[in-house]
Parts: sequence; structure tokens; C-alpha cells
Amino acid sequence: KAGVTQTPRYLIKTRGQQVTLSCSPISGHRSVSWYQQTPGQGLQFLFEYFSETQRNKGNFPGRFSGRQFSNSRSEMNVSTLELGDSALYLCASSSYRAAGNEQFFGPGTRLTVL
Amino acid sequence: GNSVTQMEGPVTLSEEAFLTINCTYTATGYPSLFWYVQYPGEGLQLLLKATKADDKGSNKGFEATYRKETTSFHLEKGSVQVSDSAVYFCALILNYGGSQGNLIFGKGTKLSVKP
Repeated sequence: KAGVTQTPRYLIKTRGQQVTLSCSPISGHRSVSWYQQTPGQGLQFLFEYFSETQRNKGNFPGRFSGRQFSNSRSEMNVSTLELGDSALYLCASSSYRAAGNEQFFGPGTRLTVL
Repeated sequence: GNSVTQMEGPVTLSEEAFLTINCTYTATGYPSLFWYVQYPGEGLQLLLKATKADDKGSNKGFEATYRKETTSFHLEKGSVQVSDSAVYFCALILNYGGSQGNLIFGKGTKLSVKP
């Protein structure tokens, strides 16, 4: 079974631009979560989608948005990029939101904002 | 609020040494607890988990016991190897009537094992 895939693996953008990151979950998984990892703030939750609906959202500005398609693939978008948005963006999928259910992580997309 | 605190790194050990990485949590309700590991250039891999008090999670020689009385979930391994060098994250998920919220992570502890 293929794991969680994220594309692209690396991105370089300049301030003010926007970016779209993609995540393909493990086949059969309907829940997709996004996390931002930075040296200063560590791992922080962005949002979670389940069956095309945003179920949960972290404390990030409205410049960060996402969506999920009918095949469970998910995208996140960051508009008007700032230097502080440079981070590793991780996507995780799980089969259901059951208690203690494991989330499987992809390798991440490394975003650098210049 | 809900949070996870784990010992600051980096931790440097010699091969075959005993490892302990401390983790304590603050949570409303009854969380599930996890240890994730991140190797250089990779995403997170689940190392072990425990879903209720007194459960012991174990995998690849690593162990952690869910201690509700001390709100702790310390990671231990009796004999580390060079291949265990990585960053280790303690995390929790709050459970709501059978479903769960998002993962809340500690800051991570970098482990380096020298031959």
C-alpha cells in the first residue's frame, strides 16, 4: 500500500506570492490533516478535512486555507506569503477519527519564502 | 490549555547506553498519547502509542507507560543504536466520545548516538 505522498517536495517563493501544496492520502483514508513545522514554533496544527468538510482548524490567519476533493486528496493554499511562512508542511492521513487512531505522515513539503 | 512538555535536547549517548526522554502533558479529558520519530529529511513515523491510563506502548525496543497520576509518558530504551539517532516527539490527542481532535506535539528531542 502506497504511503502518504506530498508534492512538491521543495518550493521557493518570494514574499507576496501564493502557493498551493498537494497531499494524497493512503488509499481508503478519508481524514487528512495539515501541520506546519518550524524550528521556533515546532509542530502546529493547521486544519483537518474529513469527507470534503473542514472538521477542525488551528490558530492560523485566513491566508492559510485548504480543501479536500471527493477522492480524499487535499490541497492547502497560502496567499500573500510572508518570510515567517518558511517551514516544512506535513500532511497526515487516517482512516477515521476514532480514538487513538494512528495518523500516517507524508515526507513534507519544504517551503522557503525569500 | 492542552500541551505537551518534553525534555530539551540535544541528547548525546554512546551506543548501548540507556535512554530516557521525559514527557509530561496537560490535558482536559482523557487523551491518547504517542511518540513519533523523525529521521533527517523525512516525515514523522509513529513509534508507539497508548490510549488509556497504565497502558504500555512498545516498539523496536522502545517503551513508554501512560501514567495518569503523574501525567507522564516517558520514552525509554535499554540499549540505543547509532540508527536510533533522530528527533523524537511526544504528542497527545484529545478524545471526544470515540472520535479525536488533532495531534498536539512537544517541541521534540534530538538524539545523537555515537559508536
